[in-house]
Parts: sequence; C-alpha cells; structure tokens
Amino acid sequence: GAGVSQSPSNKVTEKGKDVELRCDPISGHTALYWYRQSLGQGLEFLIYFQGNSAPDKSGLPSDRFSAERTGGSVSTLTIQRTQQEDSAVYLCASSRRDRGPYGYTFGSGTRLTVV
Amino acid sequence: GQNIDQPTEMTATEGAIVQINCTYQTSGFNGLFWYQQHAGEAPTFLSYNVLDGLEEKGRFSSFLSRSKGYSYLLLKELQMKDSASYLCAVRGLNTGTASKLTFGTGTRLQVTL
Repeated sequence: GAGVSQSPSNKVTEKGKDVELRCDPISGHTALYWYRQSLGQGLEFLIYFQGNSAPDKSGLPSDRFSAERTGGSVSTLTIQRTQQEDSAVYLCASSRRDRGPYGYTFGSGTRLTVV
Repeated sequence: GQNIDQPTEMTATEGAIVQINCTYQTSGFNGLFWYQQHAGEAPTFLSYNVLDGLEEKGRFSSFLSRSKGYSYLLLKELQMKDSASYLCAVRGLNTGTASKLTFGTGTRLQVTL
C-alpha cells in the first residue's frame, strides 16, 4: 500500500485480556519495527524484523509480549494478560533497508488502553 | 548502550529562527535522523546526517559533528504549523544496534504570534 497501515486505531481492553495489534508495511519494505510511546515519553523500541526473522527482540518488556511477521509483510504484535502499564500508543514503522539513509515510515499507531 | 539528550521544551516566535540541539553517546554510529511529530500523529521523517556538516532542505537544516556527538535542527521562517515535537534518533553500528533507531524523548516546540 501507499503507507504503513495499523489496526485497530484504538483498542480498549480489560486487564488480563489478550490483544492483537496488526501492522501492514509499505510493499517492498523489508525492515519492520515496533515501538511504543507512553504519554510524554519517547519512543521505546520493542522488536525489529528483517524479512520474517527477528534479529533484535531486546525491547520486548516481558514474555507477555510476542510478535511475528509472515510472508515478509504483515506483522502482528500480541500482548497476553494485559496490564495497565501496557497502555500506550503502539507504533509500527517500515523501511526499505535497515541501514543507510533510509528512515522509517510510521503508521498512525494503535492507542491501547487497559482498564 | 546509547543515550540521547535534547531539551524538553522550546518556545519561539512566528517568523523567527530556532535551533534544537541533540547530543548523543553511542557505542557505534551509523547515522542520525530528525523526525517531526504533531500531537496525536505519527512521526514523519525530516532529515538524515551521516557525515559531518550541514544538510539543508528548504526551511529546515540539520548539522552533525560526529567527534562531538552533537547535532542540531535549524528551523527558519517559523510558521504556526511548525508547533510540534522534534525527535532526534541515532542508528548504531554494532551488532544488535545496527538496524534500529534509538530515539530521544523529543523537544516540544511552541510557535507563538
């Protein structure tokens, strides 16, 4: 597609429930990244995909968080047993390559609220 | 690890020039990026520096000094629509950091009349 698409745009869930966040990157972009941004905070790195593999998962805050990417395209971030501290905007970005002058193109994000 | 510092907030007048500074410490360096983020929106790419010097792009310019671990974003002829957060981000060089950007917390710029 023309841009990075994320769904849902907003998600309100009860504490303890599982949620799935979806990211559809720009066609042909091999690198895909997940970040989260809490109110007034900077962007916190979660995980990076090159193709379908994840060479860097160092930012996942706990084993309740997991992500996968299939077909070198769509990625899903899953949060199990959500906690209130998981409330944040989850941003997905893709890049043509993972080095050089290729910056990220971000999606509009999923605003997750855990109540 | 990587550490990036930028001022939290700045205020400037419409039509003026403002300089937003960013300092960084990194175990390896493979490029510095500036992004603009309007409230409630996703960040958008502004500039990229990998060599020392000034990159100019219209009203926006970005400068890099690798030896000093320092960059700045210069905004000229400020407009009200420039009110936004400006994020400095560094790409590392070593395994594990080579591919992702590490972001500063951002500088919130308020442009006033």
